[in-house]
Amino acid sequence: DQQVKQNSPSLSVQEGRISILNCDYTNSMFDYFLWYKKYPAEGPTFLISISSIKDKNEDGRFTVFLNKSAKHLSLHIVPSQPGDSAVYFCAARGDNFNKFYFGSGTKLNVKP
Amino acid sequence: KAGVTQTPRYLIKTRGQQVTLSCSPISGHRSVSWYQQTPGQGLQFLFEYFSETQRNKGNFPGRFSGRQFSNSRSEMNVSTLELGDSALYLCASSLRQGADGYTFGSGTRLTVV
Repeated sequence: DQQVKQNSPSLSVQEGRISILNCDYTNSMFDYFLWYKKYPAEGPTFLISISSIKDKNEDGRFTVFLNKSAKHLSLHIVPSQPGDSAVYFCAARGDNFNKFYFGSGTKLNVKP
Repeated sequence: KAGVTQTPRYLIKTRGQQVTLSCSPISGHRSVSWYQQTPGQGLQFLFEYFSETQRNKGNFPGRFSGRQFSNSRSEMNVSTLELGDSALYLCASSLRQGADGYTFGSGTRLTVV
């Protein structure tokens, strides 16, 4: 049972425009959310996080929005750059604090 | 500061064999978690070890097992390999349980033929 879902397997965006990656979750007890970026042949690297007590967190070009009522979070990248082309995973921390649930990933392609 | 080191990077095994994967966490990190990544399935949680004890386990059959040593290094073992076990196996370390996030290794790509 997939508790964290990324329904878009891929996204293509022009360089300089905004990239919006979406993630939905089912468990209202999740208290902490993260985004990871993964390049081929490398492990995922941490990008940005947000606690359930906030609805927005910003770090440079990256902003994560959390809508708890809709159980939805999104990652905005502005402006998008070709180097942002990667697979993005969202993850949510379970209520036992020991485990992260990951989505299936969205492959972002930023075209020059 | 060295990152999370996984060995080997690539592995080809035959159905029915067993395999052992190794993970050395970041120095000082005491929690090690293992994930399986397959196309379309994202990262599926296998188990977490902290202080040499398995603290949490995902929904994988008993053929998947692991352990952690006193220096926090961890091994994962898969017995009686099946074709469906072909995947990228990722190890991640964190300072403690319930940490704010992981640092992942580059993974071991296992192919079962």
